[in-house]
Amino acid sequence: DTAVSQTPKYLVTQMGNDKSIKCEQNLGHDTMYWYKQDSKKFLKIMFSYNNKELIINETVPNRFSPKSPDKAHLNLHINSLELGDSAVYFCASSPRPRQGLLSPLHFGNGTRLTVT
Amino acid sequence: GENVEQHPSTLSVQEGDSAVIKCTYSDSASNYFPWYKQELGKRPQLIIDIRSNVGEKKDQRIAVTLNKTAKHFSLHITETQPEDSAVYFCAADTLINTGTASKLTFGTGTRLQVTL
Repeated sequence: DTAVSQTPKYLVTQMGNDKSIKCEQNLGHDTMYWYKQDSKKFLKIMFSYNNKELIINETVPNRFSPKSPDKAHLNLHINSLELGDSAVYFCASSPRPRQGLLSPLHFGNGTRLTVT
Repeated sequence: GENVEQHPSTLSVQEGDSAVIKCTYSDSASNYFPWYKQELGKRPQLIIDIRSNVGEKKDQRIAVTLNKTAKHFSLHITETQPEDSAVYFCAADTLINTGTASKLTFGTGTRLQVTL
């Protein structure tokens, strides 16, 4: 009954491969995100989707392509993996702002991607 | 865009002492400031938050203060315990997309170590 679940938990792959990470939330939230946490623990937003619509697309290489089939799912596909892509990727969700009021993010458990 | 600075990057205190983590932000439009705790190998989890119309908020041993004029906010943990050892992140949230979405920017994290 995990609120935000992402799979796989660990992903080890070679340079040049293509891989996907899946995320699902059962909180009924409208907005979903992908964050990247590097080895120094910095948390950087990559993408956010509001009810399947792309809202935030930070300066992320085109090799990263998010897909949101419905508002409960946000997947991340990565083409031609590079060594520098090694990080922990967190999916998160939150309710849409209501009358200017913002709400906290709920994070998934993360996917540790290691590119060799 | 928003820039959040966080200090110190590491903090070591003895059990029972207080710990203070400070953050500054740059975008005066930010109006929601959550704090997250991340234990080793786990996901970030919300521990307390504060909105821009409030100057201080307390929850048991944890308190946050916000100075909107100076764009400063701080986390105070009293009577620290070994289980408080973790990485703490401040964050600033700003409405975007005509108020239908928001963008959360994290500080660089503080590694708190509580020693016996």
